[in-house]
Amino acid sequence: AQKVTQAQTEISVVEKEDVTLDCVYETRDTTYYLFWYKQPPSGELVFLIRRNSFDEQNEISGRYSWNFQKSTSSFNFTITASQVVDSAVYFCALRRSGQGGSEKLVFGKGTKLTVNP
Amino acid sequence: AAGVIQSPRHLIKEKRETATLKCYPIPRHDTVYWYQQGPGQDPQFLISFYEKMQSDKGSIPDRFSAQQFSDYHSELNMSSLELGDSALYFCASSLRSKGSGPVPSSYEQYFGPGTRLTVT
Repeated sequence: AQKVTQAQTEISVVEKEDVTLDCVYETRDTTYYLFWYKQPPSGELVFLIRRNSFDEQNEISGRYSWNFQKSTSSFNFTITASQVVDSAVYFCALRRSGQGGSEKLVFGKGTKLTVNP
Repeated sequence: AAGVIQSPRHLIKEKRETATLKCYPIPRHDTVYWYQQGPGQDPQFLISFYEKMQSDKGSIPDRFSAQQFSDYHSELNMSSLELGDSALYFCASSLRSKGSGPVPSSYEQYFGPGTRLTVT
């Protein structure tokens, strides 16, 4: 079975602080994909990043960075110098690699981030 | 760039009524997924279609049915609506892996804006 755990239900920070959102996953698959989505108050789901299980290279995109560690089954997301516009619910998700398997996304419960001015 | 289109964006129905939600995937995408997100919850997978055939099924009630048409758009039909069906319904589309080799490439699921269904 596949499972994603986001232990932090809510996080509140002051603007310009750095914040890390934790994600721990469980899967028996050897190949899989991990994702982060952002859901602002308007409700849409915005794709942020996909990471393949065979690529443990960390990634940085502007103020966003992701730390994938297969040894600890974690895929953490850091926002540097947070801004009010970063306030949203962030979901970590997992899916199988395809080839006959289910490609559905399994989401964590989400972390609500509030950035205060 | 074209995105996933969902209609209607908002829908209000009474208990025991029926509702039809529509999803138009990104052009050339061949796979459609439906997810249900209850208030304060994470999205839950309902059903998916690949090349107009059902490819996977999640926790979709028997009162719900869905299909994908020849133009790849999909419809989710919901009958005998209950108060608990009030949720945000997302459609996502993707281009299923067409790669080769030991680990095929894969494509992200792009989500539509969602349809907010309220059952009163």
